[in-house]
Amino acid sequence: EIVLTQSPGTLSLSPGERGTLSCRASQHINNDYLAWYQQTPGQAPRLLISGASSRASGIPDRFSGSGSGTDFTLTINRVEPEDFAVYYCQQYGSSPQTFGPGTKVDMK
Amino acid sequence: QVQLVQSGAAVKQPGSSLRVSCKASGGSLAHHTIAWVRQAPGQGLEWMGGVIPIFNSPKYAQKFQGKVTITADKSSSTAYLEFNSLRSDDTAVYYCARGSQFTSRPWFFDLWGRGTLVSVSS
Repeated sequence: EIVLTQSPGTLSLSPGERGTLSCRASQHINNDYLAWYQQTPGQAPRLLISGASSRASGIPDRFSGSGSGTDFTLTINRVEPEDFAVYYCQQYGSSPQTFGPGTKVDMK
Repeated sequence: QVQLVQSGAAVKQPGSSLRVSCKASGGSLAHHTIAWVRQAPGQGLEWMGGVIPIFNSPKYAQKFQGKVTITADKSSSTAYLEFNSLRSDDTAVYYCARGSQFTSRPWFFDLWGRGTLVSVSS
C-alpha cells in the first residue's frame, strides 16, 4: 500500500502568514488522485482539495493544492484564525486508499 | 442537502457487540459508496471499508477484514458498521463518509457524518 508522509508535524503560524504543508508518497499516485482535508477539534474532517489541485465546493481560494507524482503541497495564503487545525492528505489512486498522519497548524 | 446522520455515542464492555448506523438524510445515497473511517484517540484517519447500498457488497481494508462487518439497507440509504466482540483498542470515533458513485473504487470523501464515539471499557 502507498504510505504518505506529511511534513512538518506541526506548523506554527501567525494570522496573515502563508503556510506550506507537504505530503510525500512512497509510490507514484495514479492520476494525481490526492486529496486534502481539514479537521478542527471535535469535528469531522472537511474536504478541501481533490485531484491534487481542485478546491471543493465552498472552500476559500486562500487554500490551494499543487504537485504530482509523489510530491504534493497544500498552501494556505494569509492564514485566518479558523484555519488552525490538523490537515490530512489522502491518496485514492490505488487500493487501499490511505491517509497521511497529519500536519497540525497552530498559532505562533 | 444530503447529510449523513450517525447513531449516538456508545459505552460498551469488552466482548460485547455493537452496530453503528449512518443514514442519508435529505436525499438518497443508495448509489454511492458509504465508507467507514476510524480515528483512535489523538490519532489520524484510517479507512476501514465501505459499501454501496444498492449492491450491499462490502469492501474491507485488510486490517479490518474479519474484525468488523459492514452492511447496508438500500431502501433507507443506511449503512452499518458492526462489531461482534469489542476490545478496548476499538475505542475510537467512527466516521461514515460519502465516496465514489456506482463503484467501490478508492475515492475522496466529500460528505462526512459527525462521527460516533465508541468507548470500550470494563
